[in-house]
Amino acid sequence: KNEVEQSPQNLTAQEGEFITINCSYSVGISALHWLQQHPGGGIVSLFMLSSGKKKHGRLIATINIQEKHSSLHITASHPRDSAVYICARGGGADGLTFGKGTHLIIQP
Amino acid sequence: GAGVSQSPRYKVAKRGQDVALRCDPISGHVSLFWYQQALGQGPEFLTYFQNEAQLDKSGLPSDRFFAERPEGSVSTLKIQRTQQEDSAVYLCASSFSGANTGELFFGEGSRLTVL
Repeated sequence: KNEVEQSPQNLTAQEGEFITINCSYSVGISALHWLQQHPGGGIVSLFMLSSGKKKHGRLIATINIQEKHSSLHITASHPRDSAVYICARGGGADGLTFGKGTHLIIQP
Repeated sequence: GAGVSQSPRYKVAKRGQDVALRCDPISGHVSLFWYQQALGQGPEFLTYFQNEAQLDKSGLPSDRFFAERPEGSVSTLKIQRTQQEDSAVYLCASSFSGANTGELFFGEGSRLTVL
């Protein structure tokens, strides 16, 4: 069983919709990362958080440490938001454990 | 350069060949990570360096995989006697501190195809 579970696995939405991607993890963390991966492989770090909420532009990330759950929200989604969004937990030996990713497609 | 640089971007190898993949992290970054990403999957941890010290190599799938970072900057991931199951994208990431305390910066990856 993967220590980091994401849902949904695939998501197709219309431009302008509010998007939520969920991440659950089974062991304690010291930090949780949200990453964006575009076709071709490049990965960009969106957020690193250990508590509460962070906001950057149209992206919002929240985390509930007690429930071991994090969410990534995209407001006013746009086709350029189409990508794979990956949740990863940091902890232990300082490496990251990744979820399998959520494939997001925003249609115009 | 300004970002993490990996080379080659694409490598095709015949089964049994040795390959070497290079990662040039952001200057001054202490931590360097290697990940393996199979098609349609999330990245899987391979190994972690803090400066020149390899602190964790628990993710290396077999003794055919070897990584080094001799001067605490550039790192090389070597795969000996490649097998078809080694086909994947190999991602390198660096951080000024550690994955638990600092933002990670990823390279574009090296896509290895073993025929």
